[in-house]
Amino acid sequence: QQQVKQSPQSLIVQKGGISIINCAYENTAFDYFPWYQQFPGKGPALLIAIRPDVSEKKEGRFTISFNKSAKQFSLHIMDSQPGDSATYFCAAPSGETSGSRLTFGEGTQLTVNP
Amino acid sequence: KAGVTQTPRYLIKTRGQQVTLSCSPISGHRSVSWYQQTPGQGLQFLFEYFSETQRNKGNFPGRFSGRQFSNSRSEMNVSTLELGDSALYLCASSFVGVGNTIYFGEGSWLTVV
Repeated sequence: QQQVKQSPQSLIVQKGGISIINCAYENTAFDYFPWYQQFPGKGPALLIAIRPDVSEKKEGRFTISFNKSAKQFSLHIMDSQPGDSATYFCAAPSGETSGSRLTFGEGTQLTVNP
Repeated sequence: KAGVTQTPRYLIKTRGQQVTLSCSPISGHRSVSWYQQTPGQGLQFLFEYFSETQRNKGNFPGRFSGRQFSNSRSEMNVSTLELGDSALYLCASSFVGVGNTIYFGEGSWLTVV
């Protein structure tokens, strides 16, 4: 069964700093790795996702780096802002058939101090 | 375009009761999946429906069930509620499935007392 290990559990960064969250997965039949951002009282919102035909994807201040051989991927938030304070989840597809079955990491609570 | 809509947003039930939660996916999306979110267990997959058929199922007891209608709307039901069922239940929809963007609703907060 797919497991996704996410670290760190919590992260405190100063405004303008770089936030880095790491994830490792075991196996997947599908190459699709999304990151979700969740604010208190809200559902997770898709932040950025990567398909490993590339090793890096950048959208604004958010970058995913992917290392297929190591089965690891990470989220970098450049110029972190207080508004980025939220819980971040990585996810990987699980199961052997197609479908919307994602296994999520445990989450990282990011706090960006002003 | 309207997002994933879940109702009710909040509800309180008593142990032993049953509950039905509803989800309306984004227009055109045929895949609907359900997740349970708790502080201790995180986000856990319950099941996924596609074209009215359950396509994937997580490791939850049979008290948890779901269905999908011809218009892609979905419901999940939890029977014989236990205190441990208190959680945020999230519905997500996508056009096809994995590899296509999966969008979550705001969730239904269930408290079992």
